[in-house]
Formats: sequence, C-alpha cells, structure tokens
Amino acid sequence: AQSVTQLGSHVSVSEGALVLLRCNYSSSVPPYLFWYVQYPNQGLQLLLKYTSAATLVKGINGFEAEFKKSETSFHLTKPSAHMSDAAEYFCAVSESPADRGSTLGRLYFGRGTQLTVWP
Amino acid sequence: GAVVSQHPSWVICKSGTSVKIECRSLDFQATTMFWYRQFPKQSLMLMATSNEGSKATYEQGVEKDKFLINHASLTLSTLTVTSAHPEDSSFYICSAKTDRTSNSPLHFGNGTRLTVT
Repeated sequence: AQSVTQLGSHVSVSEGALVLLRCNYSSSVPPYLFWYVQYPNQGLQLLLKYTSAATLVKGINGFEAEFKKSETSFHLTKPSAHMSDAAEYFCAVSESPADRGSTLGRLYFGRGTQLTVWP
Repeated sequence: GAVVSQHPSWVICKSGTSVKIECRSLDFQATTMFWYRQFPKQSLMLMATSNEGSKATYEQGVEKDKFLINHASLTLSTLTVTSAHPEDSSFYICSAKTDRTSNSPLHFGNGTRLTVT
C-alpha cells in the first residue's frame, strides 16, 4: 500500500531564501509521485510529477523535486522564495500499473505543508 | 487545457436539505472523476470514484446513500449531499483525469465550500 509523509506542517522562509518541503513515501512498487499546490479556497494545481523518467523533475513557478529511491524521498525545492509562493503544498503518490487490482488514478495525499513567506 | 469546472463555489443550506455539486470537464472527456473532501487544515480524503455510465466506487466509511454520485456523461459528474447536517460542512473538491493511466495527473476543480446551518 502507498502512503506519503510530509515532514513539517508549517514552513516559514524569508523572501529570496531557499524553499525545502519534505516528502517521504512508502510503496511496495515503483511509485508515481506528484506535488500539488493549493491556494485558499481553491482546488489543487499540479506543480510537477515523477513518473520513472528523470529523477530530477522541474515544475512550474521555479519548483523542482528530486526522486531518491534510496531515501524514499521526493522533496520539493525552490532556490528563491517569492511572496506569491505562500500556499499549502501537498505531496501525493499514485498507484502504479504494477499494482494488481488498483483503481487507476487514485492518489494518496500527504497531510500538507503550509508555506509562509516573510518579506 | 484540461480544465475542470466545479459549481457552486460555495453554498449555505439548512440542516435536512439536499445540496447538489456539479463537476464538469470543459475541454476533455473524463471517464473517471474523483470526489475528495477536505477538512480545515487537513489533507484531502478520497470519498469516491465516479465512473461514467456505472455506479460509483465509494471508499470505506463513506455513506453511499448520503453522498449520491451520478456520472451521466463523459463531462459531468454530480455529488448530492442528501439530508445535510452541520457535520457535513466541508470543502468538497472534484478531480478528473484526461486518461486512465496512473502517471497522468489529476486536474482539480476549484472546490465547493459547503456550510450546513
């Protein structure tokens, strides 16, 4: 079974500082991993996804994430935070085709990390 | 592309009444849509998977008679909260995939804030 753990429910950084949001996964088969961003009272927007191609994935808004199998991690980073990055970020894992009897498309979400950016 | 429209964005209803939430895929056909519920400051909980032309698949613990899902066309799924109670107040979000593969992302609607008084 898949699961995702996001370390740190709140992260605060200064504008221009490095953003690091942590995500560790648990999966018995090679996973597909996603990062989503949610602004207040809105749905989720896909930032980036890992689907067993390049381990370093670049997404929108300057974000990127690196898949590290040895550490079962998929941390999200951005070199320089902007005020507009303040939002809730969710890491998610999808069932891969290797799962028998899976419902394709089901995502398992972490609890989310609230990013605050100080001026 | 891949826009999902959810309506209404917010609704207030009295206890005991029913509320219908619509989820439309505007520029693609979605054979499968997913309904999530999000409590304040918490993650998304998958409620059910909506399959076009067939019965929805509900997650364990979700009352199918209370949360009625209809997926009558390839672009529309509806969630009806029947006999709503204050504990049903929540943020409901629908999502859809453009294809059935696991590595394609979900596209989310903007959610519906339901308040039951």
